[in-house]
Amino acid sequence: GQQLNQSPQSMFIQEGEDVSMNCTSSSIFNTWLWYKQDPGEGPVLLIALYKAGELTSNGRLTAQFGITRKDSFLNISASIPSDVGIYFCAGQTDNYQLIWGAGTKLIIKP
Amino acid sequence: DTAVSQTPKYLVTQMGNDKSIKCEQNLGHDTMYWYKQDSKKFLKIMFSYNNKELIINETVPNRFSPKSPDKAHLNLHINSLELGDSAVYFCASSPAGAEAFFGQGTRLTVV
Repeated sequence: GQQLNQSPQSMFIQEGEDVSMNCTSSSIFNTWLWYKQDPGEGPVLLIALYKAGELTSNGRLTAQFGITRKDSFLNISASIPSDVGIYFCAGQTDNYQLIWGAGTKLIIKP
Repeated sequence: DTAVSQTPKYLVTQMGNDKSIKCEQNLGHDTMYWYKQDSKKFLKIMFSYNNKELIINETVPNRFSPKSPDKAHLNLHINSLELGDSAVYFCASSPAGAEAFFGQGTRLTVV
């Protein structure tokens, strides 16, 4: 099935570093969503973006809905150990179906 | 007060068996979903269902069938389980046209 291009696939970072990940698509979406999945848990919604160009923050997290409606990025500032997990982007189509990225695994170097 | 709850959390069963996973949401949402997450963590939609329409991902074998006794429940029945069915299955729900809320997942292991 259709899937978004999410990168990077994984990131090894030091605590305190900033993190950036993005998703691109050949299709236009009406909504972009960013989820985080902790081990053994289901994905939890972090940020929802509804309008092209929209920039939204949630604490240390900031996400933007690309102006072309075909991409989105998520930034995490000053990473902490509890930020580890898998981050997924998802785009919502006109008929409300969600198309998912393959995930970005965030690992904090000891 | 769990929003989307699914049971069991773990399920180990033999090939050829028939099993069910239950899902309940207390959010009053119109639409419920079943997702499969494989070992590479890809999330694949299997079904989406509201009281009007069942949308099936055409890649899902017909051994898998959703059953909705009411708006708050969407159970997943799997017949003749195969080794390749081993995965984590997530139930989710959403209001019409809005973002999905996920359950904690059911880890299915077929031996």
